[in-house]
Amino acid sequence: GQSLEQPSEVTAVEGAIVQINCTYQTSGFYGLSWYQQHDGGAPTFLSYNALDGLEETGRFSSFLSRSDSYGYLLLQELQMKDSASYFCAVSPSGYSTLTFGKGTMLLVSP
Amino acid sequence: EAGVAQSPRYKIIEKRQSVAFWCNPISGHATLYWYQQILGQGPKLLIQFQNNGVVDDSQLPKDRFSAERLKGVDSTLKIQPAKLEDSAVYLCASSSEDGSAYEQYFGPGTRLTVT
Repeated sequence: GQSLEQPSEVTAVEGAIVQINCTYQTSGFYGLSWYQQHDGGAPTFLSYNALDGLEETGRFSSFLSRSDSYGYLLLQELQMKDSASYFCAVSPSGYSTLTFGKGTMLLVSP
Repeated sequence: EAGVAQSPRYKIIEKRQSVAFWCNPISGHATLYWYQQILGQGPKLLIQFQNNGVVDDSQLPKDRFSAERLKGVDSTLKIQPAKLEDSAVYLCASSSEDGSAYEQYFGPGTRLTVT
């Protein structure tokens, strides 16, 4: 089976940088995905790491260390609209489905 | 490009009643997923279809939940009879055939309240 651990809540101020960590235990591992979900909204895909290292997409970056079963999502130049829940998710194989973590609620204050 | 469509957006029923949710994936997406998201938790997969065949339904409570995807496009998820613990948001997602499951497109969900 798969299990993922991520902090339940993180707070930060506008313009700051925040890192949301995710550790996982899986019977098979293909990659780590990150999704954003605003309150009452649909989850939206942010990024994906299959290989070790950093992937950058605008203000968001995601990192993976396969040897440590660890990844993180880095959000820079925080904006109020970044207040949302962030989920890490693992896929045991490329075409199998995702197992999601419980999510981290990010609260950005002025 | 239109996104994933779901209906209804909200549904309130009494326990032991039945309910059905409908999903229309993004045009051309071969893979369709139904998730259950309980408040404060991440989405939990109920069933995955590839075209009109079931790929994974290991977490679907088959004594009360059923799903079908006729003609490999639209899908319906049914609960009969509903229990209080079925109160949740039911999310439909789709992904393209030439893409991997890691990038899924979600619909707005159906918020179900069982009283």
